[in-house]
Amino acid sequence: AQTVTQSQPEMSVQEAETVTLSCTYDTSESNYYLFWYKQPPSRQMILVIRQEAYKQQNATENRFSVNFQKAAKSFSLKISDSQLGDTAMYFCAHSGGSNYKLTFGKGTLLTVNP
Amino acid sequence: EPEVTQTPSHQVTQMGQEVILRCVPISNHLYFYWYRQILGQKVEFLVSFYNNEISEKSEIFDDQFSVERPDGSNFTLKIRSTKLEDSAMYFCASTGRGRNQPQHFGDGTRLSIL
Repeated sequence: AQTVTQSQPEMSVQEAETVTLSCTYDTSESNYYLFWYKQPPSRQMILVIRQEAYKQQNATENRFSVNFQKAAKSFSLKISDSQLGDTAMYFCAHSGGSNYKLTFGKGTLLTVNP
Repeated sequence: EPEVTQTPSHQVTQMGQEVILRCVPISNHLYFYWYRQILGQKVEFLVSFYNNEISEKSEIFDDQFSVERPDGSNFTLKIRSTKLEDSAMYFCASTGRGRNQPQHFGDGTRLSIL
């Protein structure tokens, strides 16, 4: 079974600063994917970034990047130049197995302060 | 960009009543999922569906739940006899080309059981 752990229930950052959200996971799969999803107050689920476990290179998407440490089973999200619109709940998720269902962590509530 | 559409956005139902949540996945997608998020908690997998049958279901997905793809476009989740603890946000997701592709989420249906 897969598990995903987010140890930071809440974080805050000043606008324009950089923040890193932590995530660790456990999996028995050899081929899997990791994701960060953003959930604003409207409660939509928005894909932020995706990492394929077989790729060593860390994924980047504009101001968002990950630090993927496969041996340590760690997958942190770095948000650079934080904006007020980044305020949201952020979920780390694992996908693998025969059906690639998503297993989510409990989330980190990020607040960007002006 | 194509979207996953869910209706209704909010459903209020008396305990014991049947409820049907509807989803229109992205048109060329082949793999479909339902997830549930109880307020303040993490997103949990309910069921995956491929080739007109359930491919995997969680422990939550008991006999009260069923899914159907009645007409090749809609994907429905039925709860036969609702309980108070079924109150949650229900998300539909779909993916295409391969199950390892990112899942696209609908905006969710907020289900309130009275």
